[in-house]
Formats: sequence, structure tokens, C-alpha cells
Amino acid sequence: RKEVEQDPGPFNVPEGATVAFNCTYSNSASQSFFWYRQDCRKEPKLLMSVYSSGNEDGRFTAQLNRASQYISLLIRDSKLSDSATYLCVVNLVSSGSARQLTFGSGTQLTVLP
Amino acid sequence: EPEVTQTPSHQVTQMGQEVILRCVPISNHLYFYWYRQILGQKVEFLVSFYNNEISEKSEIFDDQFSVERPDGSNFTLKIRSTKLEDSAMYFCASRTETSDYEQYFGPGTRLTVT
Repeated sequence: RKEVEQDPGPFNVPEGATVAFNCTYSNSASQSFFWYRQDCRKEPKLLMSVYSSGNEDGRFTAQLNRASQYISLLIRDSKLSDSATYLCVVNLVSSGSARQLTFGSGTQLTVLP
Repeated sequence: EPEVTQTPSHQVTQMGQEVILRCVPISNHLYFYWYRQILGQKVEFLVSFYNNEISEKSEIFDDQFSVERPDGSNFTLKIRSTKLEDSAMYFCASRTETSDYEQYFGPGTRLTVT
């Protein structure tokens, strides 16, 4: 079983649409959760951290369900500039303190005019 | 806004050659990382570095790889004898000592081994 699993898409949506991405993780002891976005051939950029209480940043809302080991990202009123690959990222517990990130394969989003 | 920087942006090398990839992490960050991403695949952890020593490393980070912080600003990844399968984007990342463990990535070095 993959450590972090995402629907690869692609998701093709019109401007203004609401789109939701889901992610599951296998290690129940995982402690920190993030959504990163990655544009083609660029570095991953932190979009938002994800907390159990849910958090919102403008048009973006992230949710975490620890019982189901499930993370979601909702994008409202999508813009052309939202077109990217969205990476679900988990910080797995390890013996060291450095806490490397474990990435999902990403979900590709294309927002169409 | 402070950024992680990496040089070179693109490195072409022949199989068997040594390469050194360079990174300058954000100045007040204490944890440093190397990740790689083979074209079309997911980002994979290679190694983490803290307090001037390797903290953790993955199975990918074998004896051909080494890391160093030669001075107060640079963080390097050396591949001793490159193989074709080392062709990938190599990303450096860094973070502070906070509870959220958010990491910030450099723009990457594209390594092409011919």
C-alpha cells in the first residue's frame, strides 16, 4: 500500500468551478499534513498546512480526518492560475527529529477558460 | 521574502563522473534536506541534515551520495559516480525548528546523466 495516495486526475474544470481533491495516508502515527502545489518542472510550493479543526485560506479549504486517515483540499471559484499539480504531503514519525516529508504522486488540475 | 537558492539550474554530466549540487538554505533555518524527482514521478526524500550531521537518509541515499555543509551558508549534495538513473530534479529544502515542520524548497537542479 502506498504511504500517501492521491487520485492522479487529471481534473479539467471551467473557471469559477469548485473542485475537491482527496488523499489518504497509511501511517496512523503521522503528525503533520500539508498541501503543496507544483507547477510544471518547478519546485513544490507550500499551499497550506492541514489541521484537524480544518483551515481556510481565501478560496482554499483543507480538512483532516485522522480517524479515516484522509485529507482533503477544496478550491472554490477556481482561477486559470490554479492550474498545477497538487501534492498531498505527510510528515511521518521517524526515529530522528528531522521529519522528512512523504509526498503523494499529485493530482493534476487544469482550469479552462 | 527569503528563499532557498540552488546552483546550477541544469547540470549535464557523463556517466561515471562526480557532480556536486549546491544549495543555500534560508539563513535562520536549521534543518536541511535533499529530495529528488525523476521525470513524471513523485518527489522522494533522500537525506536530512541537522547540527552538522546526517539525521536520516532513505534507501536511495547509498554510498555514492554524500552531503556537506562546508561553511555557514552552503549545503551540498555530491554524487561520486553518476549513473543514468540518477537523472532527475534535485530539490534542496530547509526549515526552522518549529512544530509545524513546514519545509521550503529551492528551485531545483536538473541533473542529466548521459
